[in-house]
Amino acid sequence: DTAVSQTPKYLVTQMGNDKSIKCEQNLGHDTMYWYKQDSKKFLKIMFSYNNKELIINETVPNRFSPKSPDKAHLNLHINSLELGDSAVYFCASSVQADTEAFFGQGTRLTVV
Amino acid sequence: GIQVEQSPPDLILQEGANSTLRCNFSDSVNNLQWFHQNPWGQLINLFYIPSGTKQNGRLSATTVATERYSLLYISSSQTTDSGVYFCAVHPRGTTDSWGKLQFGAGTQVVVTP
Repeated sequence: DTAVSQTPKYLVTQMGNDKSIKCEQNLGHDTMYWYKQDSKKFLKIMFSYNNKELIINETVPNRFSPKSPDKAHLNLHINSLELGDSAVYFCASSVQADTEAFFGQGTRLTVV
Repeated sequence: GIQVEQSPPDLILQEGANSTLRCNFSDSVNNLQWFHQNPWGQLINLFYIPSGTKQNGRLSATTVATERYSLLYISSSQTTDSGVYFCAVHPRGTTDSWGKLQFGAGTQVVVTP
């Protein structure tokens, strides 16, 4: 019974394509996040949402658009994929912002 | 923004050895977490420890918030302890830092049999 689940786990796609990553949490948390982990393993926040509203948007290209249809879901849509978008993307959630965060298993995106 | 520094960057241990990982942060925090990223890439919660000391089996952690550091102790290390250990903090204070869990660069740990 996975708490924070992401799909797909792996995504290989060509430059210029548009793709989405889905995230769902069954913990009843109010806050959800997207993080990007680069090839050097550094984890950087991209977005966070509290109760479906965007609260953090870190200098991310506007090709990346998060969408939160409800509190339990935060999806990430990426337009016009570039080679530099290759990374592992993690979704996370917490009861509220500034409390303990729990992460999904990650989505490894490879752009070729 | 807040700086989170972890040391050492790399650690090689023989099975059974003890070690201490350190996390320094440059400003006050509301929350501090330690994670273990295993070789399969999963981020596993180890401790939620804004202050004080906690223990979980062979692992323990101490955060001294007033001095802006946290320590993670691994005792009697096992090969399954291999992976990257991350410290992450929620900065205290301004509204533009609310909800921004900031990670350190991690400590890569390899435990050899």
